[in-house]
Amino acid sequence: DTAVSQTPKYLVTQMGNDKSIKCEQNLGHDTMYWYKQDSKKFLKIMFSYNNKELIINETVPNRFSPKSPDKAHLNLHINSLELGDSAVYFCASSQAGRVTYGYTFGSGTRLTVV
Amino acid sequence: SQQGEEDPQALSIQEGENATMNCSYKTSINNLQWYRQNSGRGLVHLILIRSNEREKHSGRLRVTLDTSKKSSSLLITASRAADTASYFCATYGEGGSEKLVFGKGTKLTVNP
Repeated sequence: DTAVSQTPKYLVTQMGNDKSIKCEQNLGHDTMYWYKQDSKKFLKIMFSYNNKELIINETVPNRFSPKSPDKAHLNLHINSLELGDSAVYFCASSQAGRVTYGYTFGSGTRLTVV
Repeated sequence: SQQGEEDPQALSIQEGENATMNCSYKTSINNLQWYRQNSGRGLVHLILIRSNEREKHSGRLRVTLDTSKKSSSLLITASRAADTASYFCATYGEGGSEKLVFGKGTKLTVNP
């Protein structure tokens, strides 16, 4: 049973295309996140949703749009992909409120823009 | 913005030795967490230490926290080849900011 699952695992696409990454968690958590990990392994938060409501929106280009149809799902849509978007994108989830048990991460989606 | 800074950036040891990784951070925290990332995989939560705690143990892991120095250390005792991974510290701030901020990580290699 995968707690946080992301699809696809790999995504290779051309510049200018639009793509989506899907994330689902079966842990009953209220909060979900998108993180971006660059080539130097630096992890940076992009978005956070709590029970379908956007609560964190870091300085991310408008081309990135998260969508949460319900509290178990958080998708990431990226328009007009650029070379610099190449990275590994991680979805994570946690209990709402103060973090006391840590985040549970998905296995990541490696996006390569060519 | 980045909060934690791990030290060293890379560490190579022999199986059976202990591995110590350090993390420094800049602002007040609610808690500090350590994560492991195996190559090509997601992050796995290892241990969480609250700001009012000084030391915590979990199996072969020992974490210390010194809030006066804004630093933490992760000790892995009797290391195994399977411990080879990148280790990240992450801080959860005070003030209701609902986000975990990660450091750059320490790449640990345990040689058999």
